[in-house]
Amino acid sequence: GEEVAQTPKHLVRGEGQKAKLYCAPIKGHSYVFWYQQVLKNEFKFLISFQNENVFDETGMPKERFSAKCLPNSPCSLEIQATKLEDSAVYFCASSPILTGGNEQFFGPGTRLTVL
Amino acid sequence: AQSVSQHNHHVILSEAASLELGCNYSYGGTVNLFWYVQYPGQHLQLLLKYFSGDPLVKGIKGFEAEFIKSKFSFNLRKPSVQWSDTAEYFCAVNFYNAGNMLTFGGGTRLMVKP
Repeated sequence: GEEVAQTPKHLVRGEGQKAKLYCAPIKGHSYVFWYQQVLKNEFKFLISFQNENVFDETGMPKERFSAKCLPNSPCSLEIQATKLEDSAVYFCASSPILTGGNEQFFGPGTRLTVL
Repeated sequence: AQSVSQHNHHVILSEAASLELGCNYSYGGTVNLFWYVQYPGQHLQLLLKYFSGDPLVKGIKGFEAEFIKSKFSFNLRKPSVQWSDTAEYFCAVNFYNAGNMLTFGGGTRLMVKP
């Protein structure tokens, strides 16, 4: 597609429940990024992929967060045993390989609320 | 760690006023620079970018930004704002020694009064 698609738009989970978010990058883009936006302003990088391979995972809280980008499937970000502080908007971005992943196009985000 | 600062958190202007939003970053090496805009209820959209070359970059909707390497700055400008420019503006930097992730500033909320 011509835009990054993210589902669901909103997700509500009780503390301790699992949350799974999906991202379909722009067709032909090789890089996928996940960012977490807390408190409306603070963006935090989580992880990036080049095709199905993890490119950079320095931002991932590895105890409970995991992510995948499998061929012919949307990318996913999964949070096991959610905590209150995981409440945030999670943005996915994709980027064409020509820019080395630098020019990123963002999806509309998934708002996760943990109660 | 590298960081990006946007010193103006909230800006209120009247239509036709000129706009300048500050962005500074803390790194002396090579960078790629971006400004994104987030209109109410919408996702981030790229306004303009700087990779190399002319430090004065023109973007969409009449916006421009100037990269001043000696000041580690990439300020966003528009000569005459419109009510439709009301939005949140984010400066983002790709630091060459940090892979291809973007580091964002804290954002500036611009309100343009009609």
